[in-house]
Amino acid sequence: DAGVIQSPRHEVTEMGQEVTLRCKPISGHDYLFWYRQTMMRGLELLIYFNNNVPIDDSGMPEDRFSAKMPNASFSTLKIQPSEPRDSAVYFCASSLAAGAHGYTFGSGTRLTVV
Amino acid sequence: GQQLNQSPQSMFIQEGEDVSMNCTSSSIFNTWLWYKQDPGEGPVLLIALYKAGELTSNGRLTAQFGITRKDSFLNISASIPSDVGIYFCAGTTSGSRLTFGEGTQLTVNP
Repeated sequence: DAGVIQSPRHEVTEMGQEVTLRCKPISGHDYLFWYRQTMMRGLELLIYFNNNVPIDDSGMPEDRFSAKMPNASFSTLKIQPSEPRDSAVYFCASSLAAGAHGYTFGSGTRLTVV
Repeated sequence: GQQLNQSPQSMFIQEGEDVSMNCTSSSIFNTWLWYKQDPGEGPVLLIALYKAGELTSNGRLTAQFGITRKDSFLNISASIPSDVGIYFCAGTTSGSRLTFGEGTQLTVNP
């Protein structure tokens, strides 16, 4: 199994630009999670899906952030317009259950907004 | 909501030393998990604990699920340079998503 695949690994963009982060979960996993990691705030859950349906998006910082899961093998996290404070590492994770067996994380996308 | 307090926040040790870190929760968990994050990578699951009092080992790593179900610890014996990274605890109750601790940054000096 290739694991959770995220792209791109690194993204540098100018303030105001749209950014799209992509994730391919492990085949057969019902849950998909988007996390943001910063030095100041640690790992923050942004949103998670169950069977492609968004379950909890209370961690999404503001309306500039949106996430979709059009099918079981693909999800996107979009930031429009991006701001320097959005600079962080964004992780996608997938799992078979909500939490009991742990999550498998991707390698992350390091986003820098200048 | 549930909160996990992980300590210490950081540790600087010499190669060969043993390491201990722990997590406490404001509420009961049914499952405790320990993850390690290498620099530039995502967290990777090290150990999963499913029963109060359970003690589980994975090589030089040993983790325990506290009897009260509100705490867990992770020990690393005879540390080596590749143990460097951030260690996260995580807990969950049935059907709920994971709650992560703030992480322990471990530095091992050769």
